[in-house]
Amino acid sequence: GAVVSQHPSWVICKSGTSVKIECRSLDFQATTMFWYRQFPKQSLMLMATSNEGSKATYEQGVEKDKFLINHASLTLSTLTVTSAHPEDSSFYICSARAQGVVYGYTFGSGTRLTVV
Amino acid sequence: DAKTTQPPSMDCAEGRAANLPCNHSTISGNEYVYWYRQIHSQGPQYIIHGLKNNETNEMASLIITEDRKSSTLILPHATLRDTAVYYCIVRVDGPAGNKLTFGGGTRVLVKP
Repeated sequence: GAVVSQHPSWVICKSGTSVKIECRSLDFQATTMFWYRQFPKQSLMLMATSNEGSKATYEQGVEKDKFLINHASLTLSTLTVTSAHPEDSSFYICSARAQGVVYGYTFGSGTRLTVV
Repeated sequence: DAKTTQPPSMDCAEGRAANLPCNHSTISGNEYVYWYRQIHSQGPQYIIHGLKNNETNEMASLIITEDRKSSTLILPHATLRDTAVYYCIVRVDGPAGNKLTFGGGTRVLVKP
């Protein structure tokens, strides 16, 4: 149980375009999801906390107008990278917490974004 | 949440036990110790967590010192598939809004 599906697993886009990444909790309801970014050889950096039905809470230094987060249902959160640039190329990972599950946090498999 | 300190890397031999230390000297009484691992280009995978008592599951054992200022993750019989970055995280358990903050982790290489 407690599976998080992330799609797409990889995407290549042109500079200046927007890319949407989906994060779904398959067998549980997630009132809160988290979005991380990871550059090569580095640790995961939390970008924002996504709350169902309300605005996301962004970490310091993360541009909310560039990284749009929508959490319209209890099983789906989306991250849209707007006007992507090469420096946005990274590994994006979502996470969700299932209420009542002992181990709490489940992670998606990640999305490799390459902006050319 | 309390900060953790882990060695940046370690090697271990296949079939032997791997002992991964973590220092969390500023941990609070209500903070849990979580361990996750990340295999290359995948999302982190939950391993184990504990508060005070030692814990064991099918993947690993977690040994927490009596003063809770440090802990050790034990992989009893390391395999090549255990090669990964292992993250020790401490945080308060509670509402779903509580976030996990990752430190540098330990890069473990299991050698044949």
